[in-house]
Amino acid sequence: GAVVSQHPSWVICKSGTSVKIECRSLDFQATTMFWYRQFPKQSLMLMATSNEGSKATYEQGVEKDKFLINHASLTLSTLTVTSAHPEDSSFYICSVPGLASYEQYFGPGTRLTVT
Amino acid sequence: EDKVVQSPLSLVVHEGDTVTLNCSYEVTNFRSLLWYKQEKKAPTFLFMLTSSGIEKKSGRLSSILDKKELFSILNITATQTGDSAVYLCAGNSNSGYALNFGKGTSLLVTP
Repeated sequence: GAVVSQHPSWVICKSGTSVKIECRSLDFQATTMFWYRQFPKQSLMLMATSNEGSKATYEQGVEKDKFLINHASLTLSTLTVTSAHPEDSSFYICSVPGLASYEQYFGPGTRLTVT
Repeated sequence: EDKVVQSPLSLVVHEGDTVTLNCSYEVTNFRSLLWYKQEKKAPTFLFMLTSSGIEKKSGRLSSILDKKELFSILNITATQTGDSAVYLCAGNSNSGYALNFGKGTSLLVTP
């Protein structure tokens, strides 16, 4: 399966600041990556699909101006949480689709805490 | 609206017990159902099921899909404390790769 990394693994920021989270596919090129969010004791909720070289596709209810996604290369997608608020505190996980089938391989996640 | 429902939401068993986790789904243009194990961090892939009645097996874990009744089960035999985790199932449709996750079953295996 794919090897996916995320950076940072955890971050604490003040309310009103912006935070960038990186997702890298280490062993193959990914034209598509996914960003999920997971609140405590909740399941993963798909936020957006990141498309290399074009605009991301956001799920209903996700503010595209607040969660900026950039997929500038086949191995890197970034999620920027702009003007973060405490309610944005969550576990953010990216994933990369498998090559031959439709499973997804997840990064280790980024724990964001907004104070 | 697509939905994936898992039961039970939590479960406590003793080492050596066998457990069955349930997942029912309503996914438009269903393509596959996937099971993941999540321990503290990101989920790790267990199984992907696309055909009814064909059991997938990996060690003490096995899973099967019933496309007529729209559900899947994940069995774990001879449970160990290392099996303690949240088990997630997710549905995937023909429209793309995106996964629709259930809320998960939190399994605790006690010594």
